[in-house]
Parts: sequence; structure tokens; C-alpha cells
Amino acid sequence: SQQGEEDPQALSIQEGENATMNCSYKTSINNLQWYRQNSGRGLVHLILIRSNEREKHSGRLRVTLDTSKKSSSLLITASRAADTASYFCATPFMNYGGSQGNLIFGKGTKLSVKP
Amino acid sequence: DSGVTQTPKHLITATGQRVTLRCSPRSGDLSVYWYQQSLDQGLQFLIHYYNGEERAKGNILERFSAQQFPDLHSELNLSSLELGDSALYFCASSEAFWTGGANEKLFFGSGTQLSVL
Repeated sequence: SQQGEEDPQALSIQEGENATMNCSYKTSINNLQWYRQNSGRGLVHLILIRSNEREKHSGRLRVTLDTSKKSSSLLITASRAADTASYFCATPFMNYGGSQGNLIFGKGTKLSVKP
Repeated sequence: DSGVTQTPKHLITATGQRVTLRCSPRSGDLSVYWYQQSLDQGLQFLIHYYNGEERAKGNILERFSAQQFPDLHSELNLSSLELGDSALYFCASSEAFWTGGANEKLFFGSGTQLSVL
């Protein structure tokens, strides 16, 4: 399976603290994406990092990518109760021909931010 | 609001029945992806259509089928339903035919919660 894996599976923190989630994947990639899902709702794209980038910022989000270790991390700084959600990393699927179509999602990290 | 519309939001049916889930992509998006989300399997890719043509298949059962129509909306048909088919079904759309580019993110609908009793 090419499915990525997030770590930890669940994370509980207090408002104002930073939250770090990690993702490992198995194949070479062109990009890696992070999505957020509020309970029972659709996924929302957060940030995309290309394989030639090492770090990217968007507001309170910071994503790093280490292609040599096939891993990425998502840092949410100064977390808020509204950040409570599940976070997924996703990578483009590589088939035998090498082309990339659909995204493969990990099982997610469930983040709980307590007020 | 992602711009992707899925109907119905909830569907309750019995084993052995057939249902159709509908998805309208964002205006201008040619790609439609279907995903199934369950607690034990996570998000599983089912099928991808681009501009009316099937582009890739994932873990889609033979009892399931899909199509994308000329107006780009898509339908996912689930037949001979089993208890294990109970899940949240998402469609997502994007402009491009692949997700390997620098800006190829997916826009997800709010899903159809299917309960098979």
C-alpha cells in the first residue's frame, strides 16, 4: 500500500500551545498536501509543499518536507479551540507508469484543542 | 463552501438495495474523484473521472460503478448493498487531470452518509 501514515493518531493540547503532526509516506512524490476535516464534514485543503521545497508557511501553519526520510510535519502554532479537527496528509498516487492521478490519504491525526 | 455539491446528505437503506449518489463539481473543474471514508479503512480512493472519461480506479467493488456526464456532474451507483458499505462517501473535484503538479489540490463536497441496515 502506498498509504501514508500520520503520527500521533490523536493529540490533545491546551489553547495557545503548538501542535505538531507527522506524516510518513512510501514512494517518491512531486508534492505533499495537508487537509483538515471537521467532524463528519468534507476535507479542506490547508497547504501544498512541492518536493523541491523544504519548508512552507501559511498563517499559523508551518509544513516541512524531508524527501530523504519520506516524511513531513505540520505545525500549528498558538492553537485555538477551532483548530479541533482531524488532519490528513496526502500524496499523489504513483502507478507503474509513473504518472500521478488521485491522492492517497493517511489515516489522520485527531487533534483536540481544549479552551 | 468548497463549491462541490453532493446529494443526498444522508441515505438510509436496506441490504440488497441500490442507491445513487450525485456530485456536482466546482464550476470549471473537469476532474471528479470519489472516496469512501470508514472508521476502520480511513479514506479510500474509489474512482477518478476526467472530462467524462474514467482515468483511474482504486479499491472500488464490482458492485459499485460511476460515470461522469457531459455537464461534468458525476454519479456513484452502489448496488447489492451490504452492511459493510455503510460509510461516508465523498466526491472531490479539481481543474487538472492529475494531482502531481504544483497546485493540484482537491476540493471536497460535504459527503453522503450512507447507512445500510
